[in-house]
Amino acid sequence: ETGVTQTPRHLVMGMTNKKSLKCEQHLGHNAMYWYKQSAKKPLELMFVYNFKEQTENNSVPSRFSPECPNSSHLFLHLHTLQPEDSALYLCASSQGETGGSYEQYFGPGTRLTVT
Amino acid sequence: GQNIDQPTEMTATEGAIVQINCTYQTSGFNGLFWYQQHAGEAPTFLSYNVLDGLEEKGRFSSFLSRSKGYSYLLLKELQMKDSASYLCAVRDSNYQLIWGAGTKLIIKP
Repeated sequence: ETGVTQTPRHLVMGMTNKKSLKCEQHLGHNAMYWYKQSAKKPLELMFVYNFKEQTENNSVPSRFSPECPNSSHLFLHLHTLQPEDSALYLCASSQGETGGSYEQYFGPGTRLTVT
Repeated sequence: GQNIDQPTEMTATEGAIVQINCTYQTSGFNGLFWYQQHAGEAPTFLSYNVLDGLEEKGRFSSFLSRSKGYSYLLLKELQMKDSASYLCAVRDSNYQLIWGAGTKLIIKP
């Protein structure tokens, strides 16, 4: 248990569906992140929120839409996805976005399959 | 562009020592991290280096040479539970983490 939870753990969706991934951190951290992890590829940073404000959007397609209602919760809304979007989606949090040895704590991920 | 290189896979024997190398080319440097990720699980933090030299933490040590753009993770007295992927990540001048693809470590009895 890292203090970061994600739901659902597994998700299968069609290309026309709309679904949302949820992340919650119980660590009192101020920064939260969404990553995409594909087999044998580096982690891809998608979005960063610091104190509820989005500070990074790494050229992510608009079919992925993040939402951060407060410092403890982060959502990733999905719509009209493509099969190549199938991957493990990881949420992480850290005490701050910059400075020091602020390591990131990861949730267990959502394994997404787009059919 | 920014790049992190690590071997894709390594094999070692239980009780032995293994060194996992990481070389990086990034725009700026604000620290290097090592994470462990067991199959199907979340990455977990192992170590952080920002100054040159060796950081020791139990059976695991991490070394950094900023001038060479090089780090290694040293695992001693290997146990079967150390079978996992080991991820190297560098924080660049914008404080973004740039990740390597990970090294899958296989431990054999």
